[in-house]
Amino acid sequence: QKEVEQDPGPLSVPEGAIVSLNCTYSNSAFQYFMWYRQYSRKGPELLMYTYSSGNKEDGRFTAQVDKSSKYISLFIRDSQPSDSATYLCAMSTEDTDKLIFGTGTRLQVFP
Amino acid sequence: DVKVTQSSRYLVKRTGEKVFLECVQDMDHENMFWYRQDPGLGLRLIYFSYDVKMKEKGDIPEGYSVSREKKERFSLILESASTNQTSMYLCASSLGLVAEENNEQFFGPGTRLTVL
Repeated sequence: QKEVEQDPGPLSVPEGAIVSLNCTYSNSAFQYFMWYRQYSRKGPELLMYTYSSGNKEDGRFTAQVDKSSKYISLFIRDSQPSDSATYLCAMSTEDTDKLIFGTGTRLQVFP
Repeated sequence: DVKVTQSSRYLVKRTGEKVFLECVQDMDHENMFWYRQDPGLGLRLIYFSYDVKMKEKGDIPEGYSVSREKKERFSLILESASTNQTSMYLCASSLGLVAEENNEQFFGPGTRLTVL
């Protein structure tokens, strides 16, 4: 079993839809949770960061962490064609320098 | 803005060749990382370095070595390239070690390596 599981998609939605992207994990020691966005032929860039449990909102993006269920989510409101990319979740424990990445979910938002 | 550059976007090599992938960052970051990215497997850490001349093995170091002679430069070396090393290679750097918010990893654009 992988430490971090993520549905690879692709996920195809119309412009304006609410998108929900999810990851599950097995290591209860994970404390830092991140979402990276990767456009085609580019490196990943950090989109959202959450420490421990709770929600974090930034514009159209909301990150949620449910440590009791070992489940994290990224919601995108009013999705735009420019949101079309691969979204990778990543997580880390307190005492390591390494990030563990999910496999990424490819999202396509069509006009 | 942090900039992480990689020496080549695309590279084609033959089995058995020695391959050098170079990465340079311009923000005086302490830490540098090499990942490979494969469909269905995501990003996997090959090696990382937290200081000049220091290196740590990641999850898949076999068949690779690294060199960090200067703080801004981190090289990945394939001593004898094999077809199963065909992949996208991504370099990243970060200011601090622990995955805290101000220590995010900044990624380069990647090198797509094909080994024939």
